[in-house]
Amino acid sequence: GAGVSQSPRYKVAKRGQDVALRCDPISGHVSLFWYQQALGQGPEFLTYFQNEAQLDKSGLPSDRFFAERPEGSVSTLKIQRTQQEDSAVYLCASSFGTGGEEQYFGPGTRLTVT
Amino acid sequence: LAKTTQPISMDSYEGQEVNITCSHNNIATNDYITWYQQFPSQGPRFIIQGYKTKVTNEVASLFIPADRKSSTLSLPRVSLSDTAVYYCLVAHNNAGNMLTFGGGTRLMVKP
Repeated sequence: GAGVSQSPRYKVAKRGQDVALRCDPISGHVSLFWYQQALGQGPEFLTYFQNEAQLDKSGLPSDRFFAERPEGSVSTLKIQRTQQEDSAVYLCASSFGTGGEEQYFGPGTRLTVT
Repeated sequence: LAKTTQPISMDSYEGQEVNITCSHNNIATNDYITWYQQFPSQGPRFIIQGYKTKVTNEVASLFIPADRKSSTLSLPRVSLSDTAVYYCLVAHNNAGNMLTFGGGTRLMVKP
């Protein structure tokens, strides 16, 4: 079956531009997570949704980062006024329930800010 | 959250068994031990999870001693396609529990 998909796979943005990254989780998955992965490091948590409710956004690095999941399925991570330090791979993951089950990751979006 | 420590890198050869050990000295009573695998340009993929003793699936085995302060991921007869980064994680299985990744172990399998 279809896994988690993300688009675009690659994004180049000039410093100061706004970007929007899309995540399509596995159908029916209640939980959705966003992670940021810098080159050579493990992923770091950004935010968590349970259906349409954003229950944890403690990992968002600044108020330039905003995420939404308005209908409880597709999610968008938006970064305003991008900076060079925002360059990273942004990973989306979903899980079936809310009990901390296995997370299924998408391939990520590689963002390069020039 | 319990901190994990694992080797930065390991080398092996095709057909060998590979054991990657992770230490998690301050693991809590309700923490589970989970391993993920990540190939270049892909998201991490769940391999195995356990609480104590031994767990085995079609991909790997996970050995956890009685004190649970460490765990060992065992990959039988590795192939070139097992070259990847392997992450050891310790987490509660609670609602909305995000995964806390360390640096992982880069396994290189050589022919």
